[in-house]
Amino acid sequence: AQTVTQSQPEMSVQEAETVTLSCTYDTSESDYYLFWYKQPPSRQMILVIRQEAYKQQNATENRFSVNFQKAAKSFSLKISDSQLGDAAMYFCAYTGSQGAQKLVFGQGTRLTINP
Amino acid sequence: ETGVTQTPRHLVMGMTNKKSLKCEQHLGHNAMYWYKQSAKKPLELMFVYNFKEQTENNSVPSRFSPECPNSSHLFLHLHTLQPEDSALYLCASSQERGQPEAFFGQGTRLTVV
Repeated sequence: AQTVTQSQPEMSVQEAETVTLSCTYDTSESDYYLFWYKQPPSRQMILVIRQEAYKQQNATENRFSVNFQKAAKSFSLKISDSQLGDAAMYFCAYTGSQGAQKLVFGQGTRLTINP
Repeated sequence: ETGVTQTPRHLVMGMTNKKSLKCEQHLGHNAMYWYKQSAKKPLELMFVYNFKEQTENNSVPSRFSPECPNSSHLFLHLHTLQPEDSALYLCASSQERGQPEAFFGQGTRLTVV
């Protein structure tokens, strides 16, 4: 079974600084997808960024980028120029490439932005 | 209007009550999901529906009964729940193939008293 581990229950960063959230996963599949979701106090899970396992290039979305290390099964999220609106729970998630997609989530990291 | 809408947002029910959670998606997706989010636990997948057919039941107790009348609507019928069932229930949808990301509703905060 696939597992996703986030070892940082809480992180904090000064506004405008850069922060990196860690995620590791375990799978025997060679083709899969990884995601970072953000859950603000409004509770809605919002997709931040997605990475296809077959792509060597790290995904980027504006201030958000990932460091995908397939051999190490590591998938960290870097947030540059942190903003107050980035404060939320961040979840790393995995899904395989076949059939209906079933997300396996990590435990989450609570990110606090200090003004 | 969000792509995935859940009602109600909050629900308080007694252990002998029967209630239903509703989810509707306007994204043209054909897979829908129920997840349970409890405090200090990872999100747990409960049910998966693909083209209205249930394709996964993740060992969920029978006091939770899902219903998917069409690809746009998903219900979770609740009866004789326990206090430990209090949680945030999230609905999501995705394409069965192609785009793998799931889109979530805002959830129903359920409290069982």
